[in-house]
Amino acid sequence: NAGVTQTPKFQVLKTGQSMTLQCAQDMNHNSMYWYRQDPGMGLRLIYYSASEGTTDKGEVPNGYNVSRLNKREFSLRLESAAPSQTSVYFCASSEWGVNQNTEAFFGQGTRLTVV
Amino acid sequence: AQSVTQLDSHVSVSEGTPVLLRCNYSSSYSPSLFWYVQHPNKGLQLLLKYTSAATLVKGINGFEAEFKKSETSFHLTKPSAHMSDAAEYFCVVTPTGGKLIFGQGTELSVKP
Repeated sequence: NAGVTQTPKFQVLKTGQSMTLQCAQDMNHNSMYWYRQDPGMGLRLIYYSASEGTTDKGEVPNGYNVSRLNKREFSLRLESAAPSQTSVYFCASSEWGVNQNTEAFFGQGTRLTVV
Repeated sequence: AQSVTQLDSHVSVSEGTPVLLRCNYSSSYSPSLFWYVQHPNKGLQLLLKYTSAATLVKGINGFEAEFKKSETSFHLTKPSAHMSDAAEYFCVVTPTGGKLIFGQGTELSVKP
């Protein structure tokens, strides 16, 4: 049971380059998320998808785009990378309902450096 | 608006002494609340969760947390710290609607 799989694990980009972070989950969860983690700031939500076919901005969406390709996959794209986007990125999934949410399951993270 | 505040950015304890990591939340709805742990250079692991059942929640590795609605708190405790508990801990609130909101994290150090 793989859970949440992110690729790549590490990436170095030059300023202005583009890339897509891939995320897939095999738990049939309806919600998926992209977070970035920076020292002293916890995890900040970039975008989330409450269900297949929907996406919404989180706290720090500028410079990013997302695609919920199907129920399993949720990708994050940096169109023109900037040094401020150097961070560790986490994908997560969960199942939420009207009355309560299950816990989120996280990928192992992508360490991105923009030079 | 929903938010989470972890009251201490860093907590240091001696091995064998109690641990208290504090979390306050703000939510317009009855939230689900979680504590996650992250060891250095690792992903996030669920410690425990509160989803409107018992207010005292037991988790893995001897941790527990108590939901206090009147105080809007969900503090994490452990009676006796172990060296392997050294990590960063995150309090998370999920108001209904699917969005996960993280606190800023508390780094726990355990001295021998």
